[in-house]
Amino acid sequence: SQKIEQNSEALNIQEGKTATLTCNYTNYSPAYLQWYRQDPGRGPVFLLLIRENEKEKRKERLKVTFDTTLKQSLFHITASQPADSATYLCALRSGSARQLTFGSGTQLTVLP
Amino acid sequence: DGGITQSPKYLFRKEGQNVTLSCEQNLNHDAMYWYRQDPGQGLRLIYYSQIVNDFQKGDIAEGYSVSREKKESFPLTVTSAQKNPTAFYLCASSALGTYTDTQYFGPGTRLTVL
Repeated sequence: SQKIEQNSEALNIQEGKTATLTCNYTNYSPAYLQWYRQDPGRGPVFLLLIRENEKEKRKERLKVTFDTTLKQSLFHITASQPADSATYLCALRSGSARQLTFGSGTQLTVLP
Repeated sequence: DGGITQSPKYLFRKEGQNVTLSCEQNLNHDAMYWYRQDPGQGLRLIYYSQIVNDFQKGDIAEGYSVSREKKESFPLTVTSAQKNPTAFYLCASSALGTYTDTQYFGPGTRLTVL
């Protein structure tokens, strides 16, 4: 069956360090993968998209990698700040399906 | 401001009652979606619609119903047949015709069954 797994439910890091979040998937052939940020009690907000033929995408302090051989995406936040504390969700679209399937998310806490 | 609105923010329901959650968007998006989120879990798709007067079941449609009479509106009814309706409900929309299907979410409605 298809599955999306995000590493550890919670991740704590010190301010200024790089946070790395993992998204693994099985039995998908995703055309692209998206990352969203969700704050408590709010709806998710789109951050970045990476296509199957792209290895890396950057946006300010954010970097996403996509390895279709390993079936894994890594999401990095460099020079992390307490304001980066949130839950981060990865989402996949597969082939022609016009739906996204979301992982359960990783809750990131950046400690001052 | 363009965006998606959901109302109410908090909703309390007695067992056995139907309740309707509102979702409105002014982004001119064709597609709209309803998700359910439970603590510690990801978003699960309830229903989605790609065009007015048409909608499809998602992964967990049982006990829910929707309508799409206008492009801007996609209300969700939680019926008494839904056995465990207490959850956080999120509405989203996206523009069709783009490859990416990036979704824009509303602020959510937290439903509690008393």
